[in-house]
Amino acid sequence: DAKTTQPTSMDCAEGRAANLPCNHSTISGNEYVYWYRQIHSQGPQYIIHGLKNNETNEMASLIITEDRKSSTLILPHATLRDTAVYYCIVRGRGGSNYKLTFGKGTLLTVNP
Amino acid sequence: DTEVTQTPKHLVMGMTNKKSLKCEQHMGHRAMYWYKQKAKKPPELMFVYSYEKLSINESVPSRFSPECPNSSLLNLHLHALQPEDSALYLCASSQTGGGQGGVETQYFGPGTRLLVL
Repeated sequence: DAKTTQPTSMDCAEGRAANLPCNHSTISGNEYVYWYRQIHSQGPQYIIHGLKNNETNEMASLIITEDRKSSTLILPHATLRDTAVYYCIVRGRGGSNYKLTFGKGTLLTVNP
Repeated sequence: DTEVTQTPKHLVMGMTNKKSLKCEQHMGHRAMYWYKQKAKKPPELMFVYSYEKLSINESVPSRFSPECPNSSLLNLHLHALQPEDSALYLCASSQTGGGQGGVETQYFGPGTRLLVL
């Protein structure tokens, strides 16, 4: 699976959009971009995933660049409860696709 | 419903004790996973069960013994653990385990925080 690079930490004001970047320059054509988050001492929570097209669900939007080398997770109106570590994970078909390989993630702190 | 439940939430055990962690899901998923997360580290895969059979063991010491009694339940039996085994133990499930070549979303439980004294 391709490696990902995320900022160690980010801050966001409550009510504003939080934009979390992820670089995955070695991603291959059949690899998906997954986002999970982990609120302190809880289990990871699935947020969203995508292959090529931008995706949106009730939690967030995922914007994938045309060359697929980077993506951005957008939380449109961040709340204090969105404070968590956000993991960007690239996963492909076959091979070790059975497991999630978590990196260090981005600690997002939403401030009042 | 994407709920995975785990019991107990917290567990303290001595190095000579035997204990078990339990995980349950009712999403009809046929793959279940155990991950281990040490403090300030990301989760790491331990075991994968697919269709009630152990399909992946990530070189986990034998003092950890997984069991899958049926498609909804996953246990992790603990025996003669060491203090360095203290961690958050996470259970997850997905539809089939990716054996068909697909990429599946895994859903996690809240975890069991284990302290070995």
